[in-house]
Amino acid sequence: EVQLVESGGDLVQAGGSLRLSCAASGFTFSSYWMYWVRQAPGEGPVWLSRINTDGTYTSHADSVKGRFTISRDNAKNTLYLQMNSLRAEDTAIYYCARELGTVVRGYFAAWGQGTLVTVSS
Amino acid sequence: QSALTQPRSVSGSPGQSVTISCTGTSSDVGGYNYVSWYQHHPGKAPKLMIYDVSKRPSGVPDRFSGSKSDNTASLTISGLQAEDEADYYCCSYAGNYAFVFGTGTKVTVL
Repeated sequence: EVQLVESGGDLVQAGGSLRLSCAASGFTFSSYWMYWVRQAPGEGPVWLSRINTDGTYTSHADSVKGRFTISRDNAKNTLYLQMNSLRAEDTAIYYCARELGTVVRGYFAAWGQGTLVTVSS
Repeated sequence: QSALTQPRSVSGSPGQSVTISCTGTSSDVGGYNYVSWYQHHPGKAPKLMIYDVSKRPSGVPDRFSGSKSDNTASLTISGLQAEDEADYYCCSYAGNYAFVFGTGTKVTVL
């Protein structure tokens, strides 16, 4: 069974940093593109970042470019999101998600249950 | 990119059909056939229901169907069941390796 478990969410002051982790199991982690998506209270999800299978290619949404960095450790089956210069508007539940198949298509076929990040101003 | 526009809520009785619209622009929904739909029961992991506008992943009931016309995609749930009560979000590729989600629709089974 495919499982994604996020961790690292916390209450942090504006300007601070956090690193989120996503532990993957039940599939060959190194074969799939991975994503981070967040959802603020009462709003729809927002795509944040994506990374290719070996971590050599990444892209980020304009809203987090230069502040957030996605990375992965295939030996540990773990995805990361380093978040710097946090702002109140970054308050949200953060989800990691796996691509539908081993060819990148932009479909979030498996999700974790999310980790809550709260940024106080 | 601006979020895709969905109705805030739709409702139907068991056995009925409901359709959720997802309106974007020619830069996202209208420009690509990379539209997907997600079901989200609060507190649980979201679930992919439709991809490539109208394809269903393995395990998704054929009561769920998707379509697209111009800048608007649609999700139809036929034979509505109690377990279909959830939030639904559309998503589209928006060019420049970016993706945009919809505002979300709450489906209520009366």
